Amino acid sequence: SAVISQKPSRDICQRGTSLTIQCQVDSQVTMMFWYRQQPGQSLTLIATANQGSEATYESGFVIDKFPISRPNLTFSTLTVSNMSPEDSSIYLCSVASGAYEQYFGPGTRLTVT
Amino acid sequence: KQEVTQIPAALSVPEGENLVLNCSFTDSAIYNLQWFRQDPGKGLTSLLLIQSSQREQTSGRLNASLDKSSGRSTLYIAASQPGDSATYLCAVKTSYDKVIFGPGTSLSVIP
Repeated sequence: SAVISQKPSRDICQRGTSLTIQCQVDSQVTMMFWYRQQPGQSLTLIATANQGSEATYESGFVIDKFPISRPNLTFSTLTVSNMSPEDSSIYLCSVASGAYEQYFGPGTRLTVT
Repeated sequence: KQEVTQIPAALSVPEGENLVLNCSFTDSAIYNLQWFRQDPGKGLTSLLLIQSSQREQTSGRLNASLDKSSGRSTLYIAASQPGDSATYLCAVKTSYDKVIFGPGTSLSVIP
């Protein structure tokens, strides 16, 4: 299993600013994933982050809006840039053990005013 | 394109009742199917993982089945308790790096 922590757990931000969310895993993993969960909705994959390469973004998500860093095998950051109220969501970091179980962090609850 | 649906969207039952949550997926080519629980405003807790070659998994009062050919999974909760109140999400792993989530079933267990 993997234990994942995220910082911050929640934040309230002003429109037009940026927030960087940190994700730390207690073991080395090849792939880390970032998900968004808008209010009342299910989870949507934003991007997959591999160490040593550019993140792969899903349709509807772009690097300028959601830049991702993956400096090593246990850490990743997601930045939500130039925020608007529509970015208010829970952002979740996730890792998977190959074709097996998926693990999630506790999430970062973002409110944009 | 894989699509995952869950029925019902919401469910309210009295304490002690047995209940079944349903998950359907359109493409049977999956690696595994995982059931999660999410409490309001919180992250996801993994409940059960069923590999594509398996038919069911059990953990305590929970039992999950998988029928890959028909694209269906069920989560059975026995003797429900108020602490079971949460949203239950079904997710299918379609490739090494892709997991598709269903919309969830919101469960309320009334004392």
